[in-house]
Amino acid sequence: EVQLVESGGGLVQPGGSLRLSCAASGFTFSRYEMNWVRQAPGKGLEWLSYIKSGGAIHYADSVMGRFTISRDDAKSSLYLQMNSLRAEDTAVYYCARDLNVGGVYFDIWGQGAQVTVTS
Amino acid sequence: EIVLTQSPATLSLSPGERATLSCRASQSVSTYLAWYQQKPGQAPRLLIYDASNRATGIPARFSGSGSGTDFTLTITSLEPEDFAVYYCQQRRTWPITFGQGTRLEIK
Repeated sequence: EVQLVESGGGLVQPGGSLRLSCAASGFTFSRYEMNWVRQAPGKGLEWLSYIKSGGAIHYADSVMGRFTISRDDAKSSLYLQMNSLRAEDTAVYYCARDLNVGGVYFDIWGQGAQVTVTS
Repeated sequence: EIVLTQSPATLSLSPGERATLSCRASQSVSTYLAWYQQKPGQAPRLLIYDASNRATGIPARFSGSGSGTDFTLTITSLEPEDFAVYYCQQRRTWPITFGQGTRLEIK
């Protein structure tokens, strides 16, 4: 079964850091581009970051310079290092696999990891 | 940044009726647009990509159309499980952006 499982979410103070992980299974991870997408409480979806194996990385302006995406293809894992966290970063964070049709669409999603930034 | 505007914000229909959801882009995205369905407490599900291609396992009652700046998601004969929030998403340029969503509710 194709699956993505996020971990590492939790409660953190403003200015703090957190590292999210996403474990992939059921497919050849190295062949797929991967993304992070978040959803603030009661709000819509916000794309955050994209990574291609051995290649390009992109970020949304809202997280550029604060968040870092990375991947370990040997471990079939995706990561999001989040620094200088703000209250507005409170959201459910999803890792999402690219559909692999030459563009960025999200065909497989994890269950989400809750990140709450509060003092 | 390409802004996607979805309308209406909320659509109230009954099972068996036809639903028409709109997504308008602030500039042309060609056909590089997708639609997602999200139910409460669940991750989104990809329905349509490249404006009109159904994703794997998506029922034929879901169809997408449009190009340039105006797109439509049509659901013929609504089933009870279709009531959810729907988002459009463009991949024409970075950053990837989503519309604000249309809530499809039972009338």
